[in-house]
Amino acid sequence: NAGVMQNPRHLVRRRGQEARLRCSPMKGHSHVYWYRQLPEEGLKFMVYLQKENIIDESGMPKERFSAEFPKEGPSILRIQQVVRGDSAAYFCASSPEYRAGNEQFFGPGTRLTVL
Amino acid sequence: AQSVTQLGSHVSVSEGALVLLRCNYSSSVPPYLFWYVQYPNQGLQLLLKYTSAATLVKGINGFEAEFKKSETSFHLTKPSAHMSDAAEYFCAVSAATSGTYKYIFGTGTRLKVLA
Repeated sequence: NAGVMQNPRHLVRRRGQEARLRCSPMKGHSHVYWYRQLPEEGLKFMVYLQKENIIDESGMPKERFSAEFPKEGPSILRIQQVVRGDSAAYFCASSPEYRAGNEQFFGPGTRLTVL
Repeated sequence: AQSVTQLGSHVSVSEGALVLLRCNYSSSVPPYLFWYVQYPNQGLQLLLKYTSAATLVKGINGFEAEFKKSETSFHLTKPSAHMSDAAEYFCAVSAATSGTYKYIFGTGTRLKVLA
């Protein structure tokens, strides 16, 4: 039973390019969460999605960032026109349901470096 | 609003000594509390969680935590540290606000175990 898969594990982009981060949740999980971890900081919530719906994007920067979770395929976190400040580790988590106290299962993360 | 404070960004203990990692939370509604561990270049793994049942929660790898409402604390302990416990530990709170259960993470405590 595979866990949460994220790819690529490492991504290098130059300023102004686009970054696409992919997340495949655990089998049977329809709830996906994205977090960003800046160096020496904890994880910050970005967005929560269910299949084909963005439920809570209160942690997403207003510009350049978008997320989707299509009916088929992985969830995508897209960062347009990347800047050096976007360099961070981006983690995806999934859960089988959305209720109080539920455990979120985390992927290994994508480490984005912007040159 | 919820928040989590982890006291001590770095903690060092000798192998075999007691491990104590501190976490204080703030929540206007009954919280759910979690401890996660992150090994280098990996995702987060759940150690234990408090969901309003027993106040003393036992987790994996010999860790446990006690929920103390009067002190708004959820400190993580382990009687005897092993070298393999060296990692970063995150406390998180989740509580229903505006219909969402997103996690709020602390900034983490990096545990070093000395031989």
